[in-house]
Amino acid sequence: DGGITQSPKYLFRKEGQNVTLSCEQNLNHDAMYWYRQDPGQGLRLIYYSQIVNDFQKGDIAEGYSVSREKKESFPLTVTSAQKNPTAFYLCASSIGSGSNYEQYFGPGTRLTVT
Amino acid sequence: AQSVTQLDSQVPVFEEAPVELRCNYSSSVSVYLFWYVQYPNQGLQLLLKYLSGSTLVESINGFEAEFNKSQTSFHLRKPSVHISDTAEYFCAVSRYNFNKFYFGSGTKLNVKP
Repeated sequence: DGGITQSPKYLFRKEGQNVTLSCEQNLNHDAMYWYRQDPGQGLRLIYYSQIVNDFQKGDIAEGYSVSREKKESFPLTVTSAQKNPTAFYLCASSIGSGSNYEQYFGPGTRLTVT
Repeated sequence: AQSVTQLDSQVPVFEEAPVELRCNYSSSVSVYLFWYVQYPNQGLQLLLKYLSGSTLVESINGFEAEFNKSQTSFHLRKPSVHISDTAEYFCAVSRYNFNKFYFGSGTKLNVKP
């Protein structure tokens, strides 16, 4: 079965620690995205990548970093510089980076920082 | 900048009643429009999309949405809802030749027996 996996589903960290969220897809999609979801605010774009070894900042990139060394993988690091990291994080991919391509979403990772 | 407005944060409705979830967007250029559904603690699933052609698009589970260019709207409707339709629904817009999606804040549909 093709799809997007995110692990772990729940993640707990202490304030001041960096944490990396995993996102893997076996759909052979070129483009991948990271979103943050907070109650009542919908989805906000953190970073996106149109091709391997290339990525661009989204609307709320501060305090986050990404890499795209392989087509299948797009990990997100939440750094200690992110002031309010507790949220639900969603990874998505699309077959191309054009605006008419629908995005496929993973199941999400809920990060809690205390 | 692109914006997507879902005016209703929550919509309670009884089973078998009709429902409309509203979505308005701001754009002066051509757009593509999507509706996604999210069940608790899960990712989003595509419900339906408008790319071009007929302004009325349908999903396999009875939902439909109509693109209205003059009113910049893409409202989602279902003539008779089921308990299983209880979820959060997100409207999304992407601009022609621009590869970012903009999501609305979501509408929680609560279907009561």
